[in-house]
Amino acid sequence: AQKVTQAQTEISVVEKEDVTLDCVYETRDTTYYLFWYKQPPSGELVFLIRRNSFDEQNEISGRYSWNFQKSTSSFNFTITASQVVDSAVYFCALSEANQGAQKLVFGQGTRLTINP
Amino acid sequence: DSGVTQTPKHLITATGQRVTLRCSPRSGDLSVYWYQQSLDQGLQFLIQYYNGEERAKGNILERFSAQQFPDLHSELNLSSLELGDSALYFCASSYRGSHTTGELFFGEGSRLTVL
Repeated sequence: AQKVTQAQTEISVVEKEDVTLDCVYETRDTTYYLFWYKQPPSGELVFLIRRNSFDEQNEISGRYSWNFQKSTSSFNFTITASQVVDSAVYFCALSEANQGAQKLVFGQGTRLTINP
Repeated sequence: DSGVTQTPKHLITATGQRVTLRCSPRSGDLSVYWYQQSLDQGLQFLIQYYNGEERAKGNILERFSAQQFPDLHSELNLSSLELGDSALYFCASSYRGSHTTGELFFGEGSRLTVL
């Protein structure tokens, strides 16, 4: 069965600190897709990144970076030099190709608070 | 702005009632997905339509139904409402029928409160 675990329910840091959000997933499929979404206080879900299971290269986008490690079934998200605007709930999600890659299974989310 | 439009944004109703949530996908997107976000269940996939036909089904209750119309907008019908149905209902759209390419664009959600 597919499952996504975000063990950190809440994280609070001071602005400019680096912060890493953990995501561990379970799947029996060899082809799958991993995602991160951001849900700011306004409520909408904002896409951040999609990764397929064959691409283990880490990715950096500005202050955001993602570390995908198949060996530990993890897809962690790091924000460098955090800013107050980064405050939001962050969701990691998984989609399996053998189910047509149509259903996103979300983790419970990590509420990140950046304090000025 | 994702380009996905959901109405209404907020809805308050009583137990036993029926409501309809509406979603207009991004221009050109053929797939519409419905998700429910509640405090106890988190974000859960309900159902997907692709070009008017049901493509995938998740944890959708029998009291709930959905459809996608020829103009590609979709409606989620919730009937015999219970207190536990109070949640934020998201619609998302994508061009294709799966997540193998591109991203999923979410609307701002419809917040349903059942009293």
